[in-house]
Amino acid sequence: EVQLVESGGGLVQPGRSLRLSCTVSGFTFGTYAMSWFRQAPGKGLEWVGFIGGKAYGGTTEYATSVKGRFTISRDDSKSIAYLQMNSLKTEDTAVYYCTRVRGATMVRGVFVDFWGQGTLVTVSS
Amino acid sequence: DIQMTQSPSSLSASVGDRVTITCQASQDISNYLNWYQYKPGKAPKLLIYDASDLETGVPPRFSGSGSGTDFTFTITSLQPKDIGSYYCQQYDNLPPTFGGGTKVEIK
Repeated sequence: EVQLVESGGGLVQPGRSLRLSCTVSGFTFGTYAMSWFRQAPGKGLEWVGFIGGKAYGGTTEYATSVKGRFTISRDDSKSIAYLQMNSLKTEDTAVYYCTRVRGATMVRGVFVDFWGQGTLVTVSS
Repeated sequence: DIQMTQSPSSLSASVGDRVTITCQASQDISNYLNWYQYKPGKAPKLLIYDASDLETGVPPRFSGSGSGTDFTFTITSLQPKDIGSYYCQQYDNLPPTFGGGTKVEIK
């Protein structure tokens, strides 16, 4: 059974950093790209970025809203994906979801098939 | 970015009713469209991919159709366990984008 479990969320002050983790099981982690999404309170779902699988050397792409501040990485030996969030803003407050991409990279026609339950990040002073 | 317009935003129907949700893309996305079910506190669940393909293990009362810019999601016989929100999502271009969601309730 495919499972994705996010952790690391919480309350953080504006300008500070936070790292989320996504621990997976039930599939060969290195084969798949992983992607992060978020949903701010009362807002729609928003893509944050993705990291390619081993075959694509872990290449990354990011949404414009987080580029230069957020970094996605992975540890294939531990089956964990990370979302490092720096210079956090109040508008980054959201539930963050870790997802599996049904493929080694996120290109046209390749979609997300499994989601975690999400972890809440609140950016406030 | 591709805009996805989903309607209605909410609906209330009786058990056994046929329920239909529509999703319109701002440009041609071929058949690169998913439908997800979301229940609070749970992981979103993929129901339909490539506009009309049923994900493994998903009951056949769920179906999808369409291509290009106009898509439809149908529950042929609404069950109490189907309450929740449903979202369409395109994966023709990065960034993947979502419709605004449809909240389904039992009348």
